Amino acid sequence: QSALTQPASVSGSPGQSITISCTGTSSDVGGYNYVSWYQQQPGKVPKLIIYDVTNRPSGVSNRFSGSKSGNTASLTISGLQADDEGDYYCSSYTTTDTHVLFGGGTQVTVL
Amino acid sequence: EVQLVESGGGLVKPGGSLRLSCTGSGFTFHTFTINWVRQAPGKGLEWVSSITSSSYFTFYTDSVRGRFTVSRDDAKNSLYLQMDSLRAEDTAVYYCARDCEGNCYSAFDYWGQGTLVTVSA
Repeated sequence: QSALTQPASVSGSPGQSITISCTGTSSDVGGYNYVSWYQQQPGKVPKLIIYDVTNRPSGVSNRFSGSKSGNTASLTISGLQADDEGDYYCSSYTTTDTHVLFGGGTQVTVL
Repeated sequence: EVQLVESGGGLVKPGGSLRLSCTGSGFTFHTFTINWVRQAPGKGLEWVSSITSSSYFTFYTDSVRGRFTVSRDDAKNSLYLQMDSLRAEDTAVYYCARDCEGNCYSAFDYWGQGTLVTVSA
């Protein structure tokens, strides 16, 4: 089972908004509302920032938002801050034996 | 405070075996699905395995199925990953991660710090 497809890198200036895409298939992203997003800052453990496509865990900034259209999910970071730099990963439940798929990750750079 | 602590990583030769452990605290361990996720050096995250509450179901990614075995001992609040026939491509930091609490699915809300497994001659 192939990983979900994410752009390798996205960049933006402080205060801007950026969007990261995550493309799968009807067996995963498109078929279920079980897409999650994780932030991993350098040297740190991944942190859950979005679950079930649009929901934020308690304590996560409302500058992070998620959406989905067809087989593609998206994470938007608004009001970009220097602290948002890091790698972002999407994941999805999948009906295949693999059960959970991750995307390849997107490196976010704040210019 | 929810905590997950992994142990058991180390250096092993190709074809060898290793057993990882993960101990949870601060939550009702036996009611949660727990997962193993790995990250090769400089690479992305890869889900490896899951075990549901009461060990009802286990799941594996294709590349480890038949070589790795996940298990749990709820009396000890512990999760295990028995890794056999190890290959160089299994080299990674292995994290245990808890399934989210409440009305959510296949999202991991707490992670351990990870344990490094290196497979090399």
